[in-house]
Amino acid sequence: SQKIEQNSEALNIQEGKTATLTCNYTNYSPAYLQWYRQDPGRGPVFLLLIRENEKEKRKERLKVTFDTTLKQSLFHITASQPADSATYLCALLNDYKLSFGAGTTVTVRA
Amino acid sequence: GAGVSQSPSNKVTEKGKDVELRCDPISGHTALYWYRQSLGQGLEFLIYFQGNSAPDKSGLPSDRFSAERTGGSVSTLTIQRTQQEDSAVYLCASSPQTGKGREQYFGPGTRLTVT
Repeated sequence: SQKIEQNSEALNIQEGKTATLTCNYTNYSPAYLQWYRQDPGRGPVFLLLIRENEKEKRKERLKVTFDTTLKQSLFHITASQPADSATYLCALLNDYKLSFGAGTTVTVRA
Repeated sequence: GAGVSQSPSNKVTEKGKDVELRCDPISGHTALYWYRQSLGQGLEFLIYFQGNSAPDKSGLPSDRFSAERTGGSVSTLTIQRTQQEDSAVYLCASSPQTGKGREQYFGPGTRLTVT
């Protein structure tokens, strides 16, 4: 069966450190992988997209890697800030359909 | 510009009643999606519209669930004879066009509680 697993239920880190989130998938061959941020009581907000033929993508303090051999994506938040505290969702895209992981909640302590 | 809006933001209903949830996508977005998010769970795909037609209804949990879209804009998700397991946040998203890695823009969701 198809599965998308995101690491640990919660990640607590000190401000200024790098948060690293993992997304592993099985029985998918996604053309694209996306990361979203979700704050409590709100809908997800798109952050980054990476294509299957790309290894790494960066946007400001965010970095995403995509290894289709390992079937894994890593999501890094560098120089983390308390405002980065949220749940981060990994999503696999084939054509139009997004399949989401359950998310990892990140808390950045000041 | 205006984002995706959903109404109502909260809905409490009794088991067995019908409910209608509304989504107003971003103007000009041709693709529209409905998802369901249960407590502590990931988002579950329900249905996808391209224009007014729904090529993929595979995620609808049962025949109590239906959705329509009119004028290529507003969409309504209807749940008939609600059950307690229908309690969840229902999220709508829109996208400029399908495929090609397009990001989806989500509304704030409707929190449905079936008592």
